[in-house]
Amino acid sequence: QVQLVQSGAEVKKPGASVKVSCKPSGYTFSNYAIHWVRQAPGQRLEWMGWINAGKGNTKYSQKFQGRVTIARDTSASTAYMELSTLRSEDTAIYYCARESRSSGYYDYWGQGTLVTVSS
Amino acid sequence: DIVMTQSPDSLAVSLGERATINCKSSQSVLYNSNNKNYLTWYQQKPGQPPKLLIYWASRRESGVPDRFSGSGSGTDFTLTISSLQAEDVAVYYCQQYYNTPITFGQGTRLEIK
Repeated sequence: QVQLVQSGAEVKKPGASVKVSCKPSGYTFSNYAIHWVRQAPGQRLEWMGWINAGKGNTKYSQKFQGRVTIARDTSASTAYMELSTLRSEDTAIYYCARESRSSGYYDYWGQGTLVTVSS
Repeated sequence: DIVMTQSPDSLAVSLGERATINCKSSQSVLYNSNNKNYLTWYQQKPGQPPKLLIYWASRRESGVPDRFSGSGSGTDFTLTISSLQAEDVAVYYCQQYYNTPITFGQGTRLEIK
């Protein structure tokens, strides 16, 4: 069955960077896009960007442009999201999600990775 | 950006009764070339990621109970739970994928009365 397994929780200081991994299984990695969505405490879900796992092209939310990098390693069938220059407002659960059939909605989600930014 | 606004923010419904959640987009999410509404509903329970319930505004995801239904077009959408069960307690989100940035509603918290 399809699963997306993310890396574990992180605690970072302001100004640092964090890199979260997402390893799907149960399907051909390169056939589906992977999106990254975050959920800050008490806030709505927030889209950060996506990557075409086959071609490697990306698109980012303008809010995170310049601070976020989404990449993939096809040999490891893993996607990554790196967020730099962290601030306390970046404390959130970060999810990867599979885009269903190039449609734009998400049929499978990772379990989430809590990133805490604190001095 | 397309702003998604849900109503109400929270809702308490008796077991077996109908629950209705509304979602309004700041611009139409109906793509005229294929007549599809780029609108999805998710259910999120505490400590879990969101779960896909409805896509294309009204198509139920495989395995989702048929008490869940979606309706609407253009800018106004509704998620209906026909007969509330205890396991339906959750936060429900609408999402538009008509264009980027993909945006979500603020969520509606559904509880048992």
